[in-house]
Amino acid sequence: NAGVMQNPRHLVRRRGQEARLRCSPMKGHSHVYWYRQLPEEGLKFMVYLQKENIIDESGMPKERFSAEFPKEGPSILRIQQVVRGDSAAYFCASSPGRSGMGTGELFFGEGSRLTVL
Amino acid sequence: KQEVTQIPAALSVPEGENLVLNCSFTDSAIYNLQWFRQDPGKGLTSLLLIQSSQREQTSGRLNASLDKSSGRSTLYIAASQPGDSATYLCAVSLYNQGGKLIFGQGTELSVKP
Repeated sequence: NAGVMQNPRHLVRRRGQEARLRCSPMKGHSHVYWYRQLPEEGLKFMVYLQKENIIDESGMPKERFSAEFPKEGPSILRIQQVVRGDSAAYFCASSPGRSGMGTGELFFGEGSRLTVL
Repeated sequence: KQEVTQIPAALSVPEGENLVLNCSFTDSAIYNLQWFRQDPGKGLTSLLLIQSSQREQTSGRLNASLDKSSGRSTLYIAASQPGDSATYLCAVSLYNQGGKLIFGQGTELSVKP
């Protein structure tokens, strides 16, 4: 069984460019979460998606960031007009999903490390 | 607002020692608590998951306890090995909050041969 797959593992962008990070959840998992780990900071929740739906985006910056999880294909975290402060490790996690309360165990990918020059 | 704190921030021990990592949280209304391991430049590996109704979980040399009323969890590592060197993170999830884990800053463990 493949785990959570993220690509690219490393991405370098210049200021003002766009970054697209992809995440394929574990087989059988329909819930995807994105987290960001800034240098010297802890992991912070960004967004929670199910297929074709954004469930909770309370941790997403209001501008330049967007996420989707289409019916077919991976989840994508998109950062437009990147700035140096966007340099971080972006982690995707998935779970089988549980409606209503809380969550079961989350399984994380290896992360995508974005460097903005 | 839920806050998660881990102490110590860093710990260095000789091989073979038993050790305890601490995690505290401010809001006892958690759904579960999860301990992860993160190696440098790598992702997170789930170690143990404790549901709010449970008091402890064990896996091999690892034992995690949960005391909701006092807002504390401990991760006990028996007979530490150099391969245990990593950053250990605890995270809590809240009722009706989906997969919105709130992480501590982690404890960086170094086990010297």
